Amino acid sequence: DIHVTQSPSSLSASIGDTVTITCRASEDINKKLNWYQQKPGKAPKLLIYSSSTLQTGVTSRFSGSGSGADFTLTIYSLQPEDFAMYYCQQTYSRPLTFGGGTKVEVK
Amino acid sequence: EVQLVESGGKLVQPGGSLRLSCAASGFSVSSKYISWVRQAPGRGLEWVAVMFPTGLSQYKDSVKDRFTVSRDNSRNTVDLQMLNLGDDDTAIYYCATALVGTTYGDFDSWGQGALVTVSS
Repeated sequence: DIHVTQSPSSLSASIGDTVTITCRASEDINKKLNWYQQKPGKAPKLLIYSSSTLQTGVTSRFSGSGSGADFTLTIYSLQPEDFAMYYCQQTYSRPLTFGGGTKVEVK
Repeated sequence: EVQLVESGGKLVQPGGSLRLSCAASGFSVSSKYISWVRQAPGRGLEWVAVMFPTGLSQYKDSVKDRFTVSRDNSRNTVDLQMLNLGDDDTAIYYCATALVGTTYGDFDSWGQGALVTVSS
């Protein structure tokens, strides 16, 4: 199985900040890396797929980059609705695997 | 509009069985990849299984001898039959569909989830 390591596990930030979350896969996954946002009691929401493609309807404050084994999610100008859990997911090979998650909290 | 609604979650004893159902609207279940993804309480996400439009299915190794995905085109549902449940199967189970034209793992629509609790 491809292991996906996400860091940090949590971070504290203020409104207007730029935050960065990283994922490292245990092998080259090309650009087969997605990012999801999950709020308490809700299902995950797809933000970015194939490393850098913004899902329809998602604000451009979210940006993804990376290829190979290293990937980054950047949230620009953090807004109140952005405080949530974020997960990365590799879709390069079965079984699909997710990172452990990053909790973005209010500083 | 695509909508997914899971049902069937409940408390079940260890070793027991349970069938979850995912009812779809806004599309035909035979036209899209539909996966089951679970989340143990306070934990991360875990992909469990997928039903392809062809009718074939694939599973995570840890469940492949116990879980079975099936599809009913007339009811527009995809079910997850779970056997010999253990404590580590306790989770919210989501069904999810994939974006058209991408891989089966790009989950753009999710249900609200069904809670399965395995406990004596």
